[in-house]
Amino acid sequence: DVKVTQSSRYLVKRTGEKVFLECVQDMDHENMFWYRQDPGLGLRLIYFSYDVKMKEKGDIPEGYSVSREKKERFSLILESASTNQTSMYLCASSITTGFSPLHFGNGTRLTVT
Amino acid sequence: AQKITQTQPGMFVQEKEAVTLDCTYDTSDQSYGLFWYKQPSSGEMIFLIYQGSYDEQNATEGRYSLNFQKARKSANLVISASQLGDSAMYFCAMREGFYNNNDMRFGAGTRLTVKP
Repeated sequence: DVKVTQSSRYLVKRTGEKVFLECVQDMDHENMFWYRQDPGLGLRLIYFSYDVKMKEKGDIPEGYSVSREKKERFSLILESASTNQTSMYLCASSITTGFSPLHFGNGTRLTVT
Repeated sequence: AQKITQTQPGMFVQEKEAVTLDCTYDTSDQSYGLFWYKQPSSGEMIFLIYQGSYDEQNATEGRYSLNFQKARKSANLVISASQLGDSAMYFCAMREGFYNNNDMRFGAGTRLTVKP
């Protein structure tokens, strides 16, 4: 089974802090994704990466950056956390070929105070 | 523009009855894939069913079936014989562009509650 692991289940940070959310997958997937989930808005794509060092902006990239130095790891970075970035963050991965389903991690609930 | 629309924020169904969760989508691509995910209160995202745009038959997976109406751009999820464990959030999603590195877009979700 594909395993996507997010480093923290819950995280509390202060406004202005730099925050790193880490995601690791163990199935050699080319594609990796970061979403945020908010009630009534569903999952919104922040960034995705289709290869090492490659990234594409999603619908809401403002205030975020990403890093993919190794195939199995995709990091989401909040350069200066703000209270409106309080949310559930979901990482996912998939193979490139065709229309494959995404495999998700269990999520990180981030609270910015 | 919103690519996936789920118009039902919440739905109730009696145990053992069938329920349909609505999903419409917007794309100009001829090649795309449609997905449904379930998210129980534990938060994990569970992949349920997939429909390709060129598939002529509606997809089925156990008690789940996808009512695919291409001309209307709808991909409704039908759950037969509902169980209490079906209570969860359900998300419709789409990937476009078969040969491209394609992302996945989600709808806002429908919260299904199964009543005993």
